[in-house]
Amino acid sequence: KAGVTQTPRYLIKTRGQQVTLSCSPISGHRSVSWYQQTPGQGLQFLFEYFSETQRNKGNFPGRFSGRQFSNSRSEMNVSTLELGDSALYLCASSLWARRQETQYFGPGTRLLVL
Amino acid sequence: AQKVTQAQTEISVVEKEDVTLDCVYETRDTTYYLFWYKQPPSGELVFLIRRNSFDEQNEISGRYSWNFQKSTSSFNFTITASQVVDSAVYFCALSEAINQGAQKLVFGQGTRLTINP
Repeated sequence: KAGVTQTPRYLIKTRGQQVTLSCSPISGHRSVSWYQQTPGQGLQFLFEYFSETQRNKGNFPGRFSGRQFSNSRSEMNVSTLELGDSALYLCASSLWARRQETQYFGPGTRLLVL
Repeated sequence: AQKVTQAQTEISVVEKEDVTLDCVYETRDTTYYLFWYKQPPSGELVFLIRRNSFDEQNEISGRYSWNFQKSTSSFNFTITASQVVDSAVYFCALSEAINQGAQKLVFGQGTRLTINP
């Protein structure tokens, strides 16, 4: 099975712009989670989607949003970019997102905000 | 709130040495799940192991072994006869149940392991 894929892999934006990142989960997986990784804050949970519904969101401002499509692919959007949004954004998928399940991660999208 | 602590920020050893990465966790749950992930320079988090709170058996997979001790809330990871390819950042994580059965991972800060030839 193909793993989790994320596009684009690298992105450079300027402050005030918006960006959309895409994630395709492992075939058959219905849950997609997003995490932000920065040197200062480490890995932090952004949100999780299951069957096109956002089930929970981490402690991030409303500029961070996402959605999931019927084929389980997910996108996350960051509007009005700030310098502090520069990070590695990781997407993970699992079958049902139950606690005992393993989340499998994609290669990430490195976002640089100038 | 759940918390994972990896006190070792960086470890550097010479190839073929054994090395242990420490992980201490905090949770009020009686049922929980622990994970280790490896992050090579490419950035992808590679799953290594999952352990549930009911199973305290140590696990060995090749040169990798894990020691889970509920009494000390620790889930340590040992690499035996380390190799340069083991160089990476290693993360310990705890699975937290959130509403509607959704799951999120709470990560430690990671340990950067450098194996020198």
